Amino acid sequence: DAGVIQSPRHEVTEMGQEVTLRCKPISGHDYLFWYRQTMMRGLELLIYFNNNVPIDDSGMPEDRFSAKMPNASFSTLKIQPSEPRDSAVYFCASSWDISNEKLFFGSGTQLSVL
Amino acid sequence: GQQLNQSPQSMFIQEGEDVSMNCTSSSIFNTWLWYKQDPGEGPVLLIALYKAGELTSNGRLTAQFGITRKDSFLNISASIPSDVGIYFCAGQKGSSGDKLTFGTGTRLAVRP
Repeated sequence: DAGVIQSPRHEVTEMGQEVTLRCKPISGHDYLFWYRQTMMRGLELLIYFNNNVPIDDSGMPEDRFSAKMPNASFSTLKIQPSEPRDSAVYFCASSWDISNEKLFFGSGTQLSVL
Repeated sequence: GQQLNQSPQSMFIQEGEDVSMNCTSSSIFNTWLWYKQDPGEGPVLLIALYKAGELTSNGRLTAQFGITRKDSFLNISASIPSDVGIYFCAGQKGSSGDKLTFGTGTRLAVRP
């Protein structure tokens, strides 16, 4: 099993540019989660989907952030325009059950906005 | 958002030593989870706890759900170099599916 696949692993961009992070969940998992990890705030849930439908986006910090899940095997998290304070590691996780203990995390995307 | 407080923040120990870390909150949680994050990777679940007072083991790891439901503990016995990483606790307040609140992490380094 390939696990949750995220790309790119690292992204360096300049302030104001659009950033798109990608995630392929584990096949058969109906739930997909986007988390952000920073030193200051730790791991925070941004948004999660169930059967490709966004269920809770209350963690999305601003309108500059948007997430989509066009099909069961692909999701994107987009930041437009990016700012230096968006620098963080962004994790995607998937699960076949809403139970948090069944979450499988990807390896993350390290984002640096200069 | 709210975070759970973990202590210690970091530990540097000798291989073979036992490790203890804890996680505390001002709120009650109904589920406690412990994760390990290796450098450059995402968190991986180690142990899940569902009842106050519960003690659960996973190999050399043992975790306990505090009786007050406001804390949890993780012990690692006879540490080895591959135990290096960041250990996170996470709490869930309500029913299954409620948002997880993650701890601040304990960074563990093991000297061979």
